[in-house]
Amino acid sequence: DIQLTQSPSSLSASVGDRVTITCRASQDITRYLNWYQQKPGKAPKLLIHDASHLETGVPSRFSGSGSGTEFTFIISALQPEDTATYYCQQYHDVVLTFGGGTRVELK
Amino acid sequence: QEQLVQSGGGVVQPGGSLRLSCAASGFIFNIYGMHWVRQAPGKGLEWVALISYDDNYKYYGDSVKGRFTISRDNSRNTVYLQMNSVRPEDTAVYFCAKDSDTGSYPRYFTSWGQGTLVTVSS
Repeated sequence: DIQLTQSPSSLSASVGDRVTITCRASQDITRYLNWYQQKPGKAPKLLIHDASHLETGVPSRFSGSGSGTEFTFIISALQPEDTATYYCQQYHDVVLTFGGGTRVELK
Repeated sequence: QEQLVQSGGGVVQPGGSLRLSCAASGFIFNIYGMHWVRQAPGKGLEWVALISYDDNYKYYGDSVKGRFTISRDNSRNTVYLQMNSVRPEDTAVYFCAKDSDTGSYPRYFTSWGQGTLVTVSS
């Protein structure tokens, strides 16, 4: 199975800060990489698909980039409602896998 | 508005069986693949299974292969997860989720159910 390693596992930032999360794949997954946001007690929500395509209705402060084995997720200016855990997910292989998650908290 | 409403779940003994259901509305159910994803308490997400829109393709995660079965009834707009020979490590919140496409090949999850807790314990 393809392993996805997210870093950091958690971070603390202030409102308005730029937040960067990295997702590294154990093998080349081209651009088959998606990002989700999950708030406590809730189902995840799709934010970005295919590495950089923003899902309809998702604020433009969220963005994604990358290809191959290294991917980046950015919140350009953190808002209080962005406190959540973020997961990457690959679909290069039929066995779908997720990264371990990054918890984003407000400082 | 797309909606997935889950039912089933609860406490089951090790080695026992349980069936989860997920009723869909607000979209054309019979053209989309459907998944189950789980999350152990305090842990990350783990993909469990996918069924294609026409029931021709089914894929499973390694940890449930041979024990869990995904199925669907397009006349009822419902997807199921039959869980057999359950183990304590199957304890998790289980989510159903809609694929972005037909499910002949898995892609990503565009809508999610509310989740249902399954606890495997004697």
